[in-house]
Amino acid sequence: KQEVTQIPAALSVPEGENLVLNCSFTDSAIYNLQWFRQDPGKGLTSLLLIQSSQREQTSGRLNASLDKSSGRSTLYIAASQPGDSATYLCAVREYGQNFVFGPGTRLSVLP
Amino acid sequence: DGGITQSPKYLFRKEGQNVTLSCEQNLNHDAMYWYRQDPGQGLRLIYYSQIVNDFQKGDIAEGYSVSREKKESFPLTVTSAQKNPTAFYLCASRDSGYGYTFGSGTRLTVV
Repeated sequence: KQEVTQIPAALSVPEGENLVLNCSFTDSAIYNLQWFRQDPGKGLTSLLLIQSSQREQTSGRLNASLDKSSGRSTLYIAASQPGDSATYLCAVREYGQNFVFGPGTRLSVLP
Repeated sequence: DGGITQSPKYLFRKEGQNVTLSCEQNLNHDAMYWYRQDPGQGLRLIYYSQIVNDFQKGDIAEGYSVSREKKESFPLTVTSAQKNPTAFYLCASRDSGYGYTFGSGTRLTVV
């Protein structure tokens, strides 16, 4: 059964720092991987979707990489801002299966 | 603008009462999902539907029921059999690129 973990569980950084969030999954035969952000009391907002054939995706200050063989994905946030404070979740999907979500990393960017 | 609408935003249920959470999408997505989120826990799948008039149980279906009579609508009923229904409920749909789009959620509280 696919399991998804995210490290660290919480992270606090000063504004302007570049940071990396990690996502690990146990079964490397995934179809795709998606990163989300969730603000307190809100739904999930999609950030980046990486197909299994891709190595990375970029959107603005965000870059997500995928290494299927090692069962890892990283979300890189450049020049962090207080508005980036949220919980970040990754989810992986195997062929013919539903997405499995990680527990999330709670990010605080301090002004 | 296309998206997923969940209503109500807040819902209060008395003991022994059934309540229904609404989820409507105008994205023309075939697949729709219901998740439950508890504090400090990840998202858990309640029910999902790949196509109209068909739905499948997820990991925690007991005490819940759904219907899928229209492509746009996937309501969730929390029955009196669900002994601990207080949680944040999220509806999602999946697009042809196989990524998820989420609604803004319904917070259900037992009073």
